[in-house]
Amino acid sequence: RKEVEQDPGPFNVPEGATVAFNCTYSNSASQSFFWYRQDCRKEPKLLMSVYSSGNEDGRFTAQLNRASQYISLLIRDSKLSDSATYLCVVNMASGTYKYIFGTGTRLKVLA
Amino acid sequence: NAGVTQTPKFQVLKTGQSMTLQCAQDMNHEYMSWYRQDPGMGLRLIHYSVGAGITDQGEVPNGYNVSRSTTEDFPLRLLSAAPSQTSVYFCASSYTFRGYHDLPGTDTQYFGPGTRLTVL
Repeated sequence: RKEVEQDPGPFNVPEGATVAFNCTYSNSASQSFFWYRQDCRKEPKLLMSVYSSGNEDGRFTAQLNRASQYISLLIRDSKLSDSATYLCVVNMASGTYKYIFGTGTRLKVLA
Repeated sequence: NAGVTQTPKFQVLKTGQSMTLQCAQDMNHEYMSWYRQDPGMGLRLIHYSVGAGITDQGEVPNGYNVSRSTTEDFPLRLLSAAPSQTSVYFCASSYTFRGYHDLPGTDTQYFGPGTRLTVL
């Protein structure tokens, strides 16, 4: 099993739609979880940190399910500008200090 | 603040050549790391550092060396370039790494713009 797994997509959705992505992780000791956004040929940029209680930032909502070891990202009222690849990132502690990235989920928002 | 800077932006090497990719940050970040990104593979960790003088291997360290003599700089050295090292390289930094220092909210990574390397 990969340490961090994402559905690669692409998810093709119309403008205004709601779309959700999941990401599963294997290390139950992980403490930090993030969603990053990456545009084509650009560096990843932080979209949201994911907290135990769940968190929301405008149209974006992130949740953590420790029991099932997954995090989710919900995007409401999708915009054309949301088209990008969304990367799930998990830290691997327990003696090593590594961030592990998922391969990303590609989103295309269609006019 | 300039954030995380990387040089060069583009580089073409011949097989067997060596070179150093530069990475610097001006945010006094403790944690720095190098990733490579290949199509369909996502970002893979090459090496990381939790502070000056402390480095460790990531997922794909073979063929690469790092050192961290200052807080600001974290260069990546390719010892003898191979075509398999053709990739986009990203450097990243964060104030700390949760688990090394338990300071929630301080372990967000910030990325440099990347170096696109081609090895012929």
